[in-house]
Amino acid sequence: AQKVTQAQTEISVVEKEDVTLDCVYETRDTTYYLFWYKQPPSGELVFLIRRNSFDEQNEISGRYSWNFQKSTSSFNFTITASQVVDSAVYFCALPRVDSSYKLIFGSGTRLLVRP
Amino acid sequence: NAGVTQTPKFQVLKTGQSMTLQCAQDMNHEYMSWYRQDPGMGLRLIHYSVGAGITDQGEVPNGYNVSRSTTEDFPLRLLSAAPSQTSVYFCASRPGLIFNYGYTFGSGTRLTVV
Repeated sequence: AQKVTQAQTEISVVEKEDVTLDCVYETRDTTYYLFWYKQPPSGELVFLIRRNSFDEQNEISGRYSWNFQKSTSSFNFTITASQVVDSAVYFCALPRVDSSYKLIFGSGTRLLVRP
Repeated sequence: NAGVTQTPKFQVLKTGQSMTLQCAQDMNHEYMSWYRQDPGMGLRLIHYSVGAGITDQGEVPNGYNVSRSTTEDFPLRLLSAAPSQTSVYFCASRPGLIFNYGYTFGSGTRLTVV
């Protein structure tokens, strides 16, 4: 069965601190993809990044970086120099590799960045 | 702006009423789906469609109907609203049937059934 676990329910940091959000996944598929989504207080779901199981290179996009490690089944997300606008719920997700293409979401991590 | 458009953004229904949540995308995406988001339950798949004329059930389809007469539109119908259907509903689409494509979500519809 496929599963995504985000053990951190809520994280609170002060602006400009770095913060890492953890994601651990389970899948029996040899080829799979992982996503991160952001849900700000306004409620929409915003796509942040996609990673496939063949590519274990870390990725950096501005203040965001992602560390994908197949050996530990983890796909962690780091925000450098956090800002108040980063306050949101962040979801890690794994699409089911069948006809439903269902996204299996983790329970989300609520990040609060205090000024 | 290109994307997934959901209407209405907010709705209050009385128990037993019916209504349709609209979802339209202008990206020519083949795949469309509906999720509901509930506290403590995460996002759950209601129905999905892999192309015009094709729909299938997700994990929580009871009480909902869908149709896909065009590539662009994927409405979700509540047949007889119940308080258990109070939730935030998201429509999502993706281009084609290749797993590495990302999903684009609409802004959501917050539905309250009283």
